[in-house]
Amino acid sequence: QKEVEQNSGPLSVPEGAIASLNCTYSDRGSQSFFWYRQYSGKSPELIMSIYSNGDKEDGRFTAQLNKASQYVSLLIRDSQPSDSATYLCAAFSSGTYKYIFGTGTRLKVLA
Amino acid sequence: DVKVTQSSRYLVKRTGEKVFLECVQDMDHENMFWYRQDPGLGLRLIYFSYDVKMKEKGDIPEGYSVSREKKERFSLILESASTNQTSMYLCASMEGRDTGELFFGEGSRLTVL
Repeated sequence: QKEVEQNSGPLSVPEGAIASLNCTYSDRGSQSFFWYRQYSGKSPELIMSIYSNGDKEDGRFTAQLNKASQYVSLLIRDSQPSDSATYLCAAFSSGTYKYIFGTGTRLKVLA
Repeated sequence: DVKVTQSSRYLVKRTGEKVFLECVQDMDHENMFWYRQDPGLGLRLIYFSYDVKMKEKGDIPEGYSVSREKKERFSLILESASTNQTSMYLCASMEGRDTGELFFGEGSRLTVL
């Protein structure tokens, strides 16, 4: 069974700190990786996509990908209470249309 | 901005009823998906479609069917609803395989009594 694994949390960080979210994936055929944010009672919203090894930065968010280690991470700098949500990691293989989600990490940013 | 609209936010149905969940996207995306989301189980793919009139089973298709007669519309059908189909149903669209970015609708919370 191909999987994406995440620590369910909750991960609690103080306001202004860096939140570090991690996931690992098992399908080496996955080429594209995503982070979705999901507020309680709402649907997931794409916040970052990463396709190649290394770092990708967008505002306060940085996604990191290491295909050799099959590891994806999301850093949130200057965390705000409004960042409190569940973050879903996902891996996609365009060849098979296989889109696998992790079960999410719940982040709590404490004011 | 991509807009994915699900027709019903909340539904309550009785066991054995036929249920239609409709999803419409306005960005001419090729690919559309239906997921269900349950606590502790995450998002599970029910069906997806990569073209009009095309459909592929996902991980949990049993008890469900789909219809895609027009590019913008993807419907999920529960032929005979059961209590274990009580869940949050999420529709999503994707422009193409090369991006892989999913855009979700607001979700339809179905309760089967």
